[in-house]
Amino acid sequence: DSGVTQTPKHLITATGQRVTLRCSPRSGDLSVYWYQQSLDQGLQFLIQYYNGEERAKGNILERFSAQQFPDLHSELNLSSLELGDSALYFCASSVQATYNEQFFGPGTRLTVL
Amino acid sequence: TQLLEQSPQFLSIQEGENLTVYCNSSSVFSSLQWYRQEPGEGPVLLVTVVTGGEVKKLKRLTFQFGDARKDSSLHITAAQPGDTGLYLCAGKGNFNKFYFGSGTKLNVKP
Repeated sequence: DSGVTQTPKHLITATGQRVTLRCSPRSGDLSVYWYQQSLDQGLQFLIQYYNGEERAKGNILERFSAQQFPDLHSELNLSSLELGDSALYFCASSVQATYNEQFFGPGTRLTVL
Repeated sequence: TQLLEQSPQFLSIQEGENLTVYCNSSSVFSSLQWYRQEPGEGPVLLVTVVTGGEVKKLKRLTFQFGDARKDSSLHITAAQPGDTGLYLCAGKGNFNKFYFGSGTKLNVKP
């Protein structure tokens, strides 16, 4: 158990819908990262937050957005869902913004029908 | 985009054999991590290498960072069924972004 929690574990929805994925980092970690893992593209970095502020941005679509709240939990919002958005979404946390070591949560499996 | 290529993509070996997994890029990374991921779970960090030429050992696993900090290797000695999993390398590049390789799926048969 990494100490990072993600909810829900599974999510099934339809195209065009909007969903919110939630992540709670390890106690004491200020930085949160979001990743997308699909079968044909491996693990893709989406976005990083540090202490409530956006720190780094990866290949995140405009239909996706994220935020980190004062209690340091983070939410990833996915809207206008497409079939290709079906994937595992992982959250990871680290102590500092530039720290090397990330600890991953168990992931949320999103299926878009 | 700073790409990392892993090879081989798949590896199926017998218990007791040795193996090496490679992670290559044309880009320089400030650090590189190796993770192991099991089905239905998140990646678990194995090691972080920071200095060019650095070698780290973790029991039967040996990790090396290339001199130019563009590539890395993971060597497993006397593989065991418990080593089965997806091995991912990840490089920390510009602007604090992490780039993951596509992974090497290892199966160690008893």
